Amino acid sequence: LAKTTQPISMDSYEGQEVNITCSHNNIATNDYITWYQQFPSQGPRFIIQGYKTKVTNEVASLFIPADRKSSTLSLPRVSLSDTAVYYCLVGRTTSGTYKYIFGTGTRLKVLA
Amino acid sequence: GAGVSQSPSNKVTEKGKDVELRCDPISGHTALYWYRQSLGQGLEFLIYFQGNSAPDKSGLPSDRFSAERTGGSVSTLTIQRTQQEDSAVYLCASSLESRFYVYNEQFFGPGTRLTVL
Repeated sequence: LAKTTQPISMDSYEGQEVNITCSHNNIATNDYITWYQQFPSQGPRFIIQGYKTKVTNEVASLFIPADRKSSTLSLPRVSLSDTAVYYCLVGRTTSGTYKYIFGTGTRLKVLA
Repeated sequence: GAGVSQSPSNKVTEKGKDVELRCDPISGHTALYWYRQSLGQGLEFLIYFQGNSAPDKSGLPSDRFSAERTGGSVSTLTIQRTQQEDSAVYLCASSLESRFYVYNEQFFGPGTRLTVL
């Protein structure tokens, strides 16, 4: 299983762009990269998913280099409400077996 | 219902007692997942169901833990002879059918906070 490594915590100010990088050196060919957001006392919520290159949706962008050994979640112009824990998830479902591992997460604190 | 629901929201039990945690997935979601999250920690995968079958039980921490799913819907996670180290938030998630090499977004419930005294 692909082990993921993320920074434990990050601080940012409102209006700034935040980039959180996840390392997954032993990612497998068929693994997808997914990011989740979790607020206190809530379950995680899906943010974005990608396989390679760049993916963008209404809340974030995901950058994946050609070797796919890392990925970067980019949050444009963060606000106080973006304070949360962000998890990188790498893995796949194959032959009916679930093979995903959540990392320990990055605790993002957005300051006014 | 609109989302994944779990019950009870909180459970306090004494060491050695059995507990049952319930998960109601989103209607139509055939895949169901259980995770455990200890205080301040990440998510630990426990078990995954595709329909009523659990092809992967490798995440269950001991034989005191078991889970079942009936009718392709509701799932119950049972912990027998609870220990203090079982104290955690137990999260359930569901998704559309998982297909090979395709990841389907998981929708999480609010969790059950289990405290073993």
